[in-house]
Amino acid sequence: NAGVTQTPKFRILKIGQSMTLQCTQDMNHNYMYWYRQDPGMGLKLIYYSVGAGITDKGEVPNGYNVSRSTTEDFPLRLELAAPSQTSVYFCASSYTRGTGGREQYFGPGTRLTVT
Amino acid sequence: DAKTTQPNSMESNEEEPVHLPCNHSTISGTDYIHWYRQLPSQGPEYVIHGLTSNVNNRMASLAIAEDRKSSTLILHRATLRDAAVYYCILYGGSQGNLIFGKGTKLSVKP
Repeated sequence: NAGVTQTPKFRILKIGQSMTLQCTQDMNHNYMYWYRQDPGMGLKLIYYSVGAGITDKGEVPNGYNVSRSTTEDFPLRLELAAPSQTSVYFCASSYTRGTGGREQYFGPGTRLTVT
Repeated sequence: DAKTTQPNSMESNEEEPVHLPCNHSTISGTDYIHWYRQLPSQGPEYVIHGLTSNVNNRMASLAIAEDRKSSTLILHRATLRDAAVYYCILYGGSQGNLIFGKGTKLSVKP
């Protein structure tokens, strides 16, 4: 199992450009998540999905869009990139949230700089 | 949302036990206590979780106070590879998603 994979590893965007961060998991997990982590801070949830076709906003969704057409893939779209979106982005997945939750498995992250 | 309080940083010597504390005085009866860690330049990694009883796994032990208002993550023999930020998170009851604070940065000295 590759687990959770993310591409690209690094990206530099100019202000106003758009891009899609890719996330794929091969564990057949129902739940998938996108987080961002600013320097010296904890992770903040952007969007999550409970299954194919179902997504919901997290704590900081503005400026981002997501889709979930398959169980495996959960891409994050940035439209009109802004310097405030400079961050490290982590994708995660879990089998179920459930009572007590199940552990989340994280990808290696995408480091994005917007200048 | 139920919150946790952790020290900003701790130091340990290699091969000694490490006790990482976490206070969660507003924990609800259905909140599980989860611990994750984040090694430098990597994504977070699940460590352990529990509800009421102490828990052990291959990575660590989790000691939960009887009133559940605090817990302690125990690394039995710290290695250099254990140097990371450790996050204590309440999950699954009063809140539906992991909420990461700043965690405790653990340094391990050889």
